[in-house]
Amino acid sequence: AQSVTQLGSHVSVSEGALVLLRCNYSSSVPPYLFWYVQYPNQGLQLLLKYTSAATLVKGINGFEAEFKKSETSFHLTKPSAHMSDAAEYFCAVDNTGKLIFGQGTTLQVKP
Amino acid sequence: DTEVTQTPKHLVMGMTNKKSLKCEQHMGHRAMYWYKQKAKKPPELMFVYSYEKLSINESVPSRFSPECPNSSLLNLHLHALQPEDSALYLCASSQVRSTRGDKLQFFGPGTRLTVL
Repeated sequence: AQSVTQLGSHVSVSEGALVLLRCNYSSSVPPYLFWYVQYPNQGLQLLLKYTSAATLVKGINGFEAEFKKSETSFHLTKPSAHMSDAAEYFCAVDNTGKLIFGQGTTLQVKP
Repeated sequence: DTEVTQTPKHLVMGMTNKKSLKCEQHMGHRAMYWYKQKAKKPPELMFVYSYEKLSINESVPSRFSPECPNSSLLNLHLHALQPEDSALYLCASSQVRSTRGDKLQFFGPGTRLTVL
């Protein structure tokens, strides 16, 4: 069975600070992993995806994530937070054709 | 065109009403999905259509009735809903339905449903 755990339901950073959102997965086979962002009252937008081509994945808006098999992790980072990054972030795993989402992390960016 | 559109954006309905949600994509995708998302929660899969045929029904109550009239359109018919059905309903599509997870899902903006 596949599952995703996002550590920290709420993360607060100052503008310009490093953003780190944690995601750990459980999968019996090599997984496909995704990070989605959801702005208030909007749908989900794909930030980046891991499909085994490279362990460091670069996404949109300056975000990147590193796949670490030994730690079963796929943490999302951004070197410098911007006010517009404030949103809900979902990590997801899929190796059966069904997206399984984590519980989400709310990112707050303080001026 | 890499967009999934959903109408209406907002919907308020009574428990005795019948209404429909509409989803459309013109990317040539042959798999389409309905998700339900409650506030502060992740999306939950409801239905999957593959080549216009219902492929997955995640034990959704019969008051929700999906329909896929053609490869570009997906409807969700609503009847006799309960207040607890109030949520954001998201539509998504992918190139085809994969059992390996290698087909990216594109999401629409959602319909915010309120049941009074």
